[in-house]
Amino acid sequence: AQSVTQLGSHVSVSEGALVLLRCNYSSSVPPYLFWYVQYPNQGLQLLLKYTSAATLVKGINGFEAEFKKSETSFHLTKPSAHMSDAAEYFCAVSDQGLTGGGNKLTFGTGTQLKVEL
Amino acid sequence: DTEVTQTPKHLVMGMTNKKSLKCEQHMGHRAMYWYKQKAKKPPELMFVYSYEKLSINESVPSRFSPECPNSSLLNLHLHALQPEDSALYLCASSHGGTTYEQYFGPGTRLTVT
Repeated sequence: AQSVTQLGSHVSVSEGALVLLRCNYSSSVPPYLFWYVQYPNQGLQLLLKYTSAATLVKGINGFEAEFKKSETSFHLTKPSAHMSDAAEYFCAVSDQGLTGGGNKLTFGTGTQLKVEL
Repeated sequence: DTEVTQTPKHLVMGMTNKKSLKCEQHMGHRAMYWYKQKAKKPPELMFVYSYEKLSINESVPSRFSPECPNSSLLNLHLHALQPEDSALYLCASSHGGTTYEQYFGPGTRLTVT
């Protein structure tokens, strides 16, 4: 079964500092990996996705993530944090697709990012 | 346009009420999903519809009844809910092919009294 582990349920950074949110995956097949962001009382917004085309993936809002097979990691980074980045971040892995169509996402437990002045 | 819409935004219902949640997407996606999310937790998958057919029911109690009237619409009918069913209910959709990202709606905040 596929799974993801997010290290650190809470991360706090200063505005302008590097953001690093950690995600490690477990998968017996090449994974499809995603990062989502959720602002309070809102749905999940897709930040970026890895689908084996390139190991360094650029997403929205200045975020990027690097797929490292040797480390089974897909950490999310942003060079300079902004107050508006404060939110919950979820890493997710997809299965290879359901027989009838669609797919199952398995989410990590989430990391709450706090950005301080 | 990657928009999934959900109505209502908020819903308060008693344990004997019947209500419905509605989800709509116009991206031509063939798969649609219902998730339940409790505070400070990741979303939990409830149902998957693919090509308007129910393909996954994650052992959800029968007081939740999904319906997919057409490829753009997904409903969740609620009846005799319990207070522990209070949560954020999220709808999502995906292309259903080899691109596996799911696009989420804003959710319905449900409170059962």
